[in-house]
Amino acid sequence: EIVLTQSPATLSLSPGERATLSCRASQSVSSFLAWYQQKPGQAPRLLISDASNRATGIPARFSGSGFGTDFTLTISSLEPEDFAVYYCQQRSNWPPWTFGQGTKVEIK
Amino acid sequence: EVQLVESGGGLVQPGGSLRLSCAASGFTFSNYWMSWVRQTPGKGLEWVANINQDGTDKYSVDSVEGRFTISRDNAKHSLYLQMNSLRAEDTAVYYCARVDYDFWGYMDVWGKGTTVTVSS
Repeated sequence: EIVLTQSPATLSLSPGERATLSCRASQSVSSFLAWYQQKPGQAPRLLISDASNRATGIPARFSGSGFGTDFTLTISSLEPEDFAVYYCQQRSNWPPWTFGQGTKVEIK
Repeated sequence: EVQLVESGGGLVQPGGSLRLSCAASGFTFSNYWMSWVRQTPGKGLEWVANINQDGTDKYSVDSVEGRFTISRDNAKHSLYLQMNSLRAEDTAVYYCARVDYDFWGYMDVWGKGTTVTVSS
């Protein structure tokens, strides 16, 4: 089973700042990594597929990069609605598909 | 509007059973793999099971193997999760999710979830 480790656990930033979130895989997942956003009381929402492909309707301020074991989600300029928890997920080696433990982006 | 609506959650005693349902609308249900994903405060998000378009191919995480069964009824646009021999560690919010058609393995549509609590 591939373990995904996200860092940091919490990121405290102000609106307008840049957010950089990390996801590290226990073994290579090639580019088969996604990012999700989850707000309190809501289901996760798919943001990025296969490391860098924005899902339909996702703003351009969200971007993803990485390959192999190290991946990054960048939010170029935080909007108030971006404060949430972000999860990575791999589809390279399954079953099972696995998720990271999440990074909370909170208002500083 | 593409929508998934779960139902069937509740409080059940350890060793008991529960059947979750998920009603799909707004898309051609029979064209998609479907999944169940659960979420707990302690373990975060965990993929539970998935099923192919006609129900002939099914996979599940080891921790529920032999206890949970995923199934679907395409005529009713519905997905199910039969949960038997429930344990305290199965307590979670259970989400029904559609598997992305283009990026198979990711979940591109999610329901709001249904809560399962296993406790005496």
